[in-house]
Amino acid sequence: AQKVTQTQTSISVMEKTTVTMDCVYETQDSSYFLFWYKQTASGEIVFLIRQDSYKKENATVGHYSLNFQKPKSSIGLIITATQIEDSAVYFCAMREGAYQGGRALIFGTGTTVSVSP
Amino acid sequence: EAAVTQSPRNKVAVTGGKVTLSCNQTNNHNNMYWYRQDTGHGLRLIHYSYGAGSTEKGDIPDGYKASRPSQENFSLILELATPSQTSVYFCASGEGQGVSGNTLYFGEGSRLIVV
Repeated sequence: AQKVTQTQTSISVMEKTTVTMDCVYETQDSSYFLFWYKQTASGEIVFLIRQDSYKKENATVGHYSLNFQKPKSSIGLIITATQIEDSAVYFCAMREGAYQGGRALIFGTGTTVSVSP
Repeated sequence: EAAVTQSPRNKVAVTGGKVTLSCNQTNNHNNMYWYRQDTGHGLRLIHYSYGAGSTEKGDIPDGYKASRPSQENFSLILELATPSQTSVYFCASGEGQGVSGNTLYFGEGSRLIVV
């Protein structure tokens, strides 16, 4: 069975610094997709970035990047040059199966990031 | 404008009553999902659907039914609401074919309190 674990419940950082948060996953599939989502204070949940298991390069979108360590079943999220508006809850998620449509995402419990000026 | 909309946004229900949470999406996605969010549990999957007429059980389906009458609409039904179903419920839609990876697009959430 698939499982996603985020052990860091909260992280506090100063503005303009870098924050790294961890995520470890379990899966029996050889092919899978990994995602990070952000939930803002208003409750809105938005997709940030994704990593396909067959890709060796770490995904990067804007000031978000991933640290994909496949042998460790780990997918860390890195936010550089943090801004106040990066304060949010960040969820890691996984979907098994590359070519089977419709599989649901399984989410971790989330990491709360607080960015201070 | 929002592509996934939920109603009602807030609901207070009595124990034993019936509650229906509705979701409408304009993304033309085949797949739709219902999650609940509780402190310490993150987002947990209740039911999902591959298209009109289909519903599938997620990880915590007990006490919930789902209905997908059309591509656009997906409802979550609590026939006999209990206080343990007090939560925030999120609907999402996603592509489901091929290598899309099924990125999900979420609604704004529906806060349900069962008293």
